[in-house]
Amino acid sequence: NAGVTQTPKFQVLKTGQSMTLQCAQDMNHNSMYWYRQDPGMGLRLIYYSASEGTTDKGEVPNGYNVSRLNKREFSLRLESAAPSQTSVYFCASSERGDRTGELFFGEGSRLTVL
Amino acid sequence: RKEVEQDPGPFNVPEGATVAFNCTYSNSASQSFFWYRQDCRKEPKLLMSVYSSGNEDGRFTAQLNRASQYISLLIRDSKLSDSATYLCVVNPTNAGKSTFGDGTTLTVKP
Repeated sequence: NAGVTQTPKFQVLKTGQSMTLQCAQDMNHNSMYWYRQDPGMGLRLIYYSASEGTTDKGEVPNGYNVSRLNKREFSLRLESAAPSQTSVYFCASSERGDRTGELFFGEGSRLTVL
Repeated sequence: RKEVEQDPGPFNVPEGATVAFNCTYSNSASQSFFWYRQDCRKEPKLLMSVYSSGNEDGRFTAQLNRASQYISLLIRDSKLSDSATYLCVVNPTNAGKSTFGDGTTLTVKP
């Protein structure tokens, strides 16, 4: 019963390096999301994909790109990592869009940028 | 002003106590409201949706006050296992994107 799976769970990068966070869900959900959570703060939406083939910016998209590879997978890419991107990243999915449907989260990816 | 505001706490209460959290939101057109629970270093999980008429799930009661633009969560007979951060989530009508509060931390002590 996997639900939402994120990889990697931990990553340390140097400033300027690039990396991709992978996310996959096995619940046949249409909508997928990437959030970041900084210490003592709530989740802030980076990008979301309402359905396969579409992506839209959230509250804090600068410095990130996304790809909705297929219905199951939604990746987040940092092209040139900065210390300000040190955070915990959560991928989520929902069946009907988050307006009315429950969000299911992955376990999170903890990223440190030195 | 933040779109969704919560008292960060921490709330430290003894077992068996009743505790209430409030959350205010700024967008009067918001339609959907939720409480999520997040354990330390874990992912958020839905605790309960909040309906206009109020709703109850065991020891948990959620209320919505549209006129004053706030939602509340009441926990009765607190258990040690209730210790967590409680996140208020509000969804606007058109954008369909959830806005999370910063969370309220609850610690229930023996």
